[in-house]
Amino acid sequence: AQSVAQPEDQVNVAEGNPLTVKCTYSVSGNPYLFWYVQYPNRGLQFLLKYITGDNLVKGSYGFEAEFNKSQTSFHLKKPSALVSDSALYFCAVRDTNAGKSTFGDGTTLTVKP
Amino acid sequence: GAVVSQHPSRVICKSGTSVKIECRSLDFQATTMFWYRQFPKQSLMLMATSNEGSKATYEQGVEKDKFLINHASLTLSTLTVTSAHPEDSSFYICSARDQGAGKDEQFFGPGTRLTVL
Repeated sequence: AQSVAQPEDQVNVAEGNPLTVKCTYSVSGNPYLFWYVQYPNRGLQFLLKYITGDNLVKGSYGFEAEFNKSQTSFHLKKPSALVSDSALYFCAVRDTNAGKSTFGDGTTLTVKP
Repeated sequence: GAVVSQHPSRVICKSGTSVKIECRSLDFQATTMFWYRQFPKQSLMLMATSNEGSKATYEQGVEKDKFLINHASLTLSTLTVTSAHPEDSSFYICSARDQGAGKDEQFFGPGTRLTVL
Protein backbone atom coordinates (compact mmCIF):
# COMPACT_ATOMS: atom_id res chain seq x y z
CA ALA A 1 0.00 0.00 0.00
CA GLN A 2 1.12 3.52 -0.66
CA SER A 3 0.97 6.36 1.82
CA VAL A 4 1.95 9.97 2.20
CA ALA A 5 2.71 11.94 5.33
CA GLN A 6 2.71 15.68 5.73
CA PRO A 7 3.99 16.15 9.26
CA GLU A 8 3.00 19.80 9.61
CA ASP A 9 -0.62 20.89 9.76
CA GLN A 10 0.43 24.52 9.53
CA VAL A 11 3.42 26.42 8.21
CA ASN A 12 3.80 30.14 8.83
CA VAL A 13 6.36 32.27 7.07
CA ALA A 14 6.94 35.95 6.49
CA GLU A 15 6.60 37.35 3.00
CA GLY A 16 9.91 37.29 1.18
CA ASN A 17 11.32 34.45 3.26
CA PRO A 18 11.91 30.97 1.88
CA LEU A 19 9.29 28.34 2.57
CA THR A 20 9.35 24.58 2.89
CA VAL A 21 6.37 22.25 3.13
CA LYS A 22 7.38 18.74 4.06
CA CYS A 23 6.25 15.44 2.59
CA THR A 24 7.41 11.87 3.03
CA TYR A 25 6.06 8.88 1.20
CA SER A 26 5.93 5.12 1.22
CA VAL A 27 5.46 3.08 -1.94
CA SER A 28 6.50 -0.20 -3.40
CA GLY A 29 8.28 0.41 -6.64
CA ASN A 30 9.05 3.73 -8.22
CA PRO A 31 7.09 6.68 -6.89
CA TYR A 32 5.02 9.12 -8.91
CA LEU A 33 4.85 12.16 -6.65
CA PHE A 34 2.76 15.29 -6.95
CA TRP A 35 2.11 18.58 -5.23
CA TYR A 36 -1.22 20.37 -5.48
CA VAL A 37 -2.54 23.61 -4.04
CA GLN A 38 -6.12 24.26 -3.03
CA TYR A 39 -7.72 27.63 -2.36
CA PRO A 40 -10.92 27.83 -0.28
CA ASN A 41 -13.91 26.17 -1.92
CA ARG A 42 -11.90 25.41 -5.01
CA GLY A 43 -10.56 22.29 -6.66
CA LEU A 44 -6.97 21.20 -6.79
CA GLN A 45 -4.40 23.04 -8.85
CA PHE A 46 -1.41 21.08 -10.06
CA LEU A 47 1.97 22.52 -9.02
CA LEU A 48 4.55 19.96 -10.01
CA LYS A 49 5.37 16.29 -10.26
CA TYR A 50 8.26 13.86 -10.08
CA ILE A 51 8.20 10.84 -12.33
CA THR A 52 11.85 10.26 -13.15
CA GLY A 53 14.98 12.23 -13.96
CA ASP A 54 16.39 15.18 -12.06
CA ASN A 55 15.73 15.14 -8.35
CA LEU A 56 14.96 18.86 -8.35
CA VAL A 57 11.65 19.52 -10.02
CA LYS A 58 10.50 23.00 -10.94
CA GLY A 59 6.82 23.80 -11.11
CA SER A 60 4.25 26.53 -11.32
CA TYR A 61 4.38 29.90 -9.52
CA GLY A 62 8.05 29.56 -8.62
CA PHE A 63 7.64 26.39 -6.58
CA GLU A 64 10.08 23.53 -6.70
CA ALA A 65 10.45 20.21 -4.95
CA GLU A 66 13.35 17.94 -4.26
CA PHE A 67 12.99 14.20 -4.54
CA ASN A 68 15.18 12.38 -2.03
CA LYS A 69 15.04 8.64 -2.44
CA SER A 70 17.13 7.76 0.59
CA GLN A 71 14.94 9.86 2.87
CA THR A 72 11.74 9.04 0.94
CA SER A 73 10.92 12.72 0.92
CA PHE A 74 9.54 15.19 -1.58
CA HIS A 75 9.55 18.57 0.15
CA LEU A 76 8.00 21.57 -1.55
CA LYS A 77 10.05 24.77 -1.56
CA LYS A 78 9.96 28.34 -2.73
CA PRO A 79 12.84 30.81 -2.34
CA SER A 80 10.67 33.83 -1.60
CA ALA A 81 7.12 33.47 -0.32
CA LEU A 82 4.23 35.69 -1.37
CA VAL A 83 1.10 36.47 0.63
CA SER A 84 -0.87 35.03 -2.27
CA ASP A 85 0.83 31.67 -1.69
CA SER A 86 -1.32 31.26 1.42
CA ALA A 87 -3.41 28.15 0.78
CA LEU A 88 -3.76 24.45 1.54
CA TYR A 89 -1.06 22.25 0.01
CA PHE A 90 -1.34 18.55 -0.67
CA CYS A 91 1.35 16.04 -1.45
CA ALA A 92 0.19 12.93 -3.30
CA VAL A 93 1.58 9.66 -4.56
CA ARG A 94 0.05 7.90 -7.51
CA ASP A 95 -0.26 4.20 -8.22
CA THR A 96 1.25 3.90 -11.68
CA ASN A 97 -0.94 0.97 -12.69
CA ALA A 98 -4.37 1.70 -11.29
CA GLY A 99 -3.89 5.45 -11.38
CA LYS A 100 -5.23 5.95 -7.86
CA SER A 101 -3.84 8.90 -5.94
CA THR A 102 -3.23 8.87 -2.21
CA PHE A 103 -3.09 12.29 -0.60
CA GLY A 104 -1.41 13.55 2.51
CA ASP A 105 -3.51 15.31 5.12
CA GLY A 106 -2.57 18.70 3.78
CA THR A 107 -0.55 21.60 5.14
CA THR A 108 -1.99 25.06 5.52
CA LEU A 109 0.55 27.64 4.48
CA THR A 110 0.13 31.16 5.81
CA VAL A 111 2.38 33.88 4.49
CA LYS A 112 2.25 37.06 6.54
CA PRO A 113 3.07 40.48 5.11
CA GLY B 1 -4.11 22.13 -20.88
CA ALA B 2 -6.76 19.52 -20.42
CA VAL B 3 -9.86 20.56 -18.58
CA VAL B 4 -12.25 18.62 -16.42
CA SER B 5 -15.57 20.16 -15.50
CA GLN B 6 -18.04 19.32 -12.79
CA HIS B 7 -21.69 20.21 -12.63
CA PRO B 8 -23.19 21.56 -10.53
CA SER B 9 -20.54 23.50 -8.64
CA ARG B 10 -22.82 23.80 -5.64
CA VAL B 11 -26.04 22.05 -4.68
CA ILE B 12 -28.34 22.17 -1.68
CA CYS B 13 -30.91 19.45 -1.23
CA LYS B 14 -33.30 18.08 1.35
CA SER B 15 -32.70 14.87 3.29
CA GLY B 16 -33.97 11.84 1.46
CA THR B 17 -33.56 13.21 -2.02
CA SER B 18 -31.00 12.09 -4.59
CA VAL B 19 -28.40 14.32 -6.19
CA LYS B 20 -26.45 13.70 -9.38
CA ILE B 21 -23.03 15.19 -9.97
CA GLU B 22 -21.45 15.16 -13.42
CA CYS B 23 -17.77 14.99 -14.27
CA ARG B 24 -16.73 15.68 -17.84
CA SER B 25 -13.40 15.59 -19.59
CA LEU B 26 -13.66 18.42 -22.10
CA ASP B 27 -10.84 17.76 -24.56
CA PHE B 28 -9.77 14.18 -24.04
CA GLN B 29 -11.27 10.76 -23.59
CA ALA B 30 -11.07 9.22 -20.16
CA THR B 31 -11.66 5.51 -19.73
CA THR B 32 -10.94 5.99 -16.05
CA MET B 33 -12.18 8.67 -13.71
CA PHE B 34 -11.91 8.90 -9.96
CA TRP B 35 -14.28 10.27 -7.35
CA TYR B 36 -12.95 11.81 -4.16
CA ARG B 37 -14.62 13.25 -1.12
CA GLN B 38 -13.21 16.02 1.03
CA PHE B 39 -14.48 17.13 4.42
CA PRO B 40 -13.69 20.67 5.60
CA LYS B 41 -10.01 21.18 6.25
CA GLN B 42 -9.30 17.53 5.58
CA SER B 43 -7.65 15.52 2.87
CA LEU B 44 -9.18 13.98 -0.22
CA MET B 45 -10.37 10.44 0.25
CA LEU B 46 -10.79 8.23 -2.77
CA MET B 47 -14.32 6.88 -2.98
CA ALA B 48 -14.26 4.90 -6.18
CA THR B 49 -12.70 4.35 -9.55
CA SER B 50 -15.11 4.85 -12.43
CA ASN B 51 -14.45 2.67 -15.46
CA GLU B 52 -16.06 3.39 -18.82
CA GLY B 53 -18.34 0.56 -19.85
CA SER B 54 -17.99 -1.43 -16.65
CA LYS B 55 -18.83 -1.29 -12.99
CA ALA B 56 -17.09 1.13 -10.70
CA THR B 57 -14.58 -0.12 -8.17
CA TYR B 58 -15.36 1.17 -4.70
CA GLU B 59 -12.92 1.72 -1.88
CA GLN B 60 -13.40 -0.11 1.36
CA GLY B 61 -16.12 1.43 3.48
CA VAL B 62 -17.87 3.25 0.63
CA GLU B 63 -21.47 2.14 0.11
CA LYS B 64 -21.94 1.42 -3.56
CA ASP B 65 -25.72 1.46 -3.29
CA LYS B 66 -25.60 4.92 -1.81
CA PHE B 67 -23.03 6.42 -4.13
CA LEU B 68 -24.02 5.26 -7.60
CA ILE B 69 -21.44 5.76 -10.30
CA ASN B 70 -22.14 5.59 -14.01
CA HIS B 71 -19.43 6.03 -16.61
CA ALA B 72 -21.59 5.93 -19.71
CA SER B 73 -19.22 7.52 -22.16
CA LEU B 74 -15.54 8.29 -22.56
CA THR B 75 -16.08 11.86 -21.46
CA LEU B 76 -18.69 11.60 -18.72
CA SER B 77 -18.94 10.00 -15.31
CA THR B 78 -21.76 10.69 -12.89
CA LEU B 79 -21.96 10.25 -9.14
CA THR B 80 -25.45 10.01 -7.68
CA VAL B 81 -25.83 10.40 -3.94
CA THR B 82 -29.02 8.52 -3.16
CA SER B 83 -31.27 9.23 -0.20
CA ALA B 84 -28.95 11.96 0.93
CA HIS B 85 -28.44 12.67 4.61
CA PRO B 86 -26.78 15.66 6.28
CA GLU B 87 -23.64 13.58 6.89
CA ASP B 88 -23.25 13.28 3.11
CA SER B 89 -22.60 17.02 3.00
CA SER B 90 -19.11 17.35 1.62
CA PHE B 91 -16.95 18.58 -1.24
CA TYR B 92 -16.87 16.02 -4.05
CA ILE B 93 -13.99 16.16 -6.53
CA CYS B 94 -13.48 14.06 -9.62
CA SER B 95 -10.37 13.46 -11.66
CA ALA B 96 -10.02 12.08 -15.17
CA ARG B 97 -7.15 10.03 -16.48
CA ASP B 98 -5.77 10.86 -19.91
CA GLN B 99 -3.89 7.90 -21.34
CA GLY B 100 -4.00 8.98 -24.96
CA ALA B 101 -0.90 9.03 -27.21
CA GLY B 102 1.42 7.45 -24.68
CA LYS B 103 0.45 9.81 -21.91
CA ASP B 104 -0.66 9.12 -18.38
CA GLU B 105 -1.92 12.35 -16.88
CA GLN B 106 -4.70 13.16 -14.48
CA PHE B 107 -6.72 16.30 -14.24
CA PHE B 108 -8.97 17.33 -11.40
CA GLY B 109 -12.34 18.95 -11.65
CA PRO B 110 -13.19 22.11 -9.69
CA GLY B 111 -15.32 20.21 -7.19
CA THR B 112 -18.99 20.16 -6.18
CA ARG B 113 -20.13 21.40 -2.80
CA LEU B 114 -23.06 19.33 -1.58
CA THR B 115 -25.12 20.52 1.37
CA VAL B 116 -27.90 18.28 2.63
CA LEU B 117 -30.44 19.98 4.88
